[in-house]
Formats: sequence, structure tokens, C-alpha cells
Amino acid sequence: NAGVTQTPKFQVLKTGQSMTLQCAQDMNHNSMYWYRQDPGMGLRLIYYSASEGTTDKGEVPNGYNVSRLNKREFSLRLESAAPSQTSVYFCAAGARETQYFGPGTRLLVL
Amino acid sequence: AQSVTQPDIHITVSEGASLELRCNYSYGATPYLFWYVQSPGQGLQLLLKYFSGDTLVQGIKGFEAEFKRSQSSFNLRKPSVHWSDAAEYFCAVGAGSNYQLIWGAGTKLIIKP
Repeated sequence: NAGVTQTPKFQVLKTGQSMTLQCAQDMNHNSMYWYRQDPGMGLRLIYYSASEGTTDKGEVPNGYNVSRLNKREFSLRLESAAPSQTSVYFCAAGARETQYFGPGTRLLVL
Repeated sequence: AQSVTQPDIHITVSEGASLELRCNYSYGATPYLFWYVQSPGQGLQLLLKYFSGDTLVQGIKGFEAEFKRSQSSFNLRKPSVHWSDAAEYFCAVGAGSNYQLIWGAGTKLIIKP
């Protein structure tokens, strides 16, 4: 039982490159979330998916797209990376009131 | 607008001393409140949560928190800290029909030997 897994753990991109962050959960939760964490700012919600087939914008969606591939998987795509997207990205899966987090992906955009 | 404030960016306490981390929230309805802990380089782990009922909630690792509606606060406490408690602590309030979490900026706990 792995909980929430994320790949890759670390990535370096050049400005303008694209990439997809992968997230999978084995807890059978309906809701999944993508956050970014920046120093002194806590976590900010990028996108969330309340159930398979639905996605909604969070607080900071610009520059990102998401896909809820199935109940288990929720991916985050950066189409054209910018230095401002340097951050730590966390995926979470939730059962109503409680969210369970993956280990994070550290992304550096040069 | 909904918000969560953690007034202390850093707190330093001696090992064995008591701890209180402050959290204030702004939310129109009855809040769902959470404390999470993040060890260096790790993801976030749920310490405890409050939904309703007893305003003093017990969590893992010997932590507790008290919901005070009159003060819009949900402070985290521990009677005696251990060096392994050194981490960053985040307070959050659950909002909306999909229980989106609104997060505080975090408090970094430093333990002095």
C-alpha cells in the first residue's frame, strides 16, 4: 500500500521546455489535488479533481494543465516552463475532509 | 475572504520544553481545521483535525490542539518536545464543497539540545 506516489522526484528544465508530473494513488479516493509550495507561502492549490472526469482550477492555475486519467491517476503538465514555476509540487488524494500527500517533486526551471 | 495566519515563522524551544504553535483563521462558516507536519525533504503528514464536538482534539505523536471559536484560533500544543519534532508545521482550514484546504504559511520548529 504505497498511498500517493509522485514521479519524478526531481527535475531540471530549461525555460520553454514542457514536462508532465505524474501522480497516482491506491487509496480509492475520489478527490485529487495538485499544490505548489514556495518558501514563506505555504501550499497553494493549482488544480483539483473532485472525481474521475472532472477538473477545476485552484488558486494559481496559470501555466498549468491537468488530466484526470482515471480514478488513480492525476497528472500536471507544464506546457512551456518558466523560472517562476520553480517550486516543489505536491499531489494529494482526499476522502472528504482529509488529504493525504505524496512525497513531492522538486522542479527547477533555468 | 478565507485565510489562515500562522504568526510565527520560526520558533525555537529546548528539548523537553512545552510547545504552542499559533493558528488563526478567517472563515464564515463552521470550519474544518487541520494541522500537518512536514519533515525536511518530505511530504506532509496529518497530525490532527477538528470537525465538530469536543474542542480539544488529540493527534499523533503526542500533539493536541484546541479550537476556540471566540478567538478564531486553533493552536497546536505539546507538553514536552523531542528533537525529532523539529519540522515545519502547517495549519489549514477546509473550505468549499470539495474541502479545498486553505493553508497558513507554516511555522518552522527548531529544537535546542
